[in-house]
Amino acid sequence: QKEVEQNSGPLSVPEGAIASLNCTYSDRGSQSFFWYRQYSGKSPELIMSIYSNGDKEDGRFTAQLNKASQYVSLLIRDSQPSDSATYLCASLSSGSARQLTFGSGTQLTVLP
Amino acid sequence: DVKVTQSSRYLVKRTGEKVFLECVQDMDHENMFWYRQDPGLGLRLIYFSYDVKMKEKGDIPEGYSVSREKKERFSLILESASTNQTSMYLCASSLPGYGYTFGSGTRLTVV
Repeated sequence: QKEVEQNSGPLSVPEGAIASLNCTYSDRGSQSFFWYRQYSGKSPELIMSIYSNGDKEDGRFTAQLNKASQYVSLLIRDSQPSDSATYLCASLSSGSARQLTFGSGTQLTVLP
Repeated sequence: DVKVTQSSRYLVKRTGEKVFLECVQDMDHENMFWYRQDPGLGLRLIYFSYDVKMKEKGDIPEGYSVSREKKERFSLILESASTNQTSMYLCASSLPGYGYTFGSGTRLTVV
């Protein structure tokens, strides 16, 4: 069973701090990784994708990928209360390259 | 932007009813998926399809069926609704090699 593991949290950070969300995956053949944000009662929204080792920055968000360690992370700089949500990590299966495997999500609360 | 439209945001049905949940995407995506999401259980895959008329069972297909007669439309059918099918249902679509775009979800209550 190919898995994606996340700390379920909850994770609380003060406003303005850096929030660090972590994820490990078991399928060594996975090449593509995604971070989704899900507000309570809403559907998941894709916020970052990363395909190669290293960092990828988009505004206040930085995704980091280390394929050797099978580790993906999401950093949120200058965290805002509006960032409070559940963050889902997902990997694209190495077989069909069509189906995502999702982690269970990390609940983030940014305290004003 | 890709848009994935689910026909209903909230739905209340009676036990034993046949329920149809519709999902339409407008960007020619090959892949379409149906998930349910329950507190503490995460996203669970019900069925998926990679082509018209093609369907594959996911992790929890029991009590459900699907139909994909056109590329843009993927329907989830609850043959005889039961209270344990009360859930948030999420449709998603994608191209091979890319992440999913989710619809806004249908919160189904079976009474």
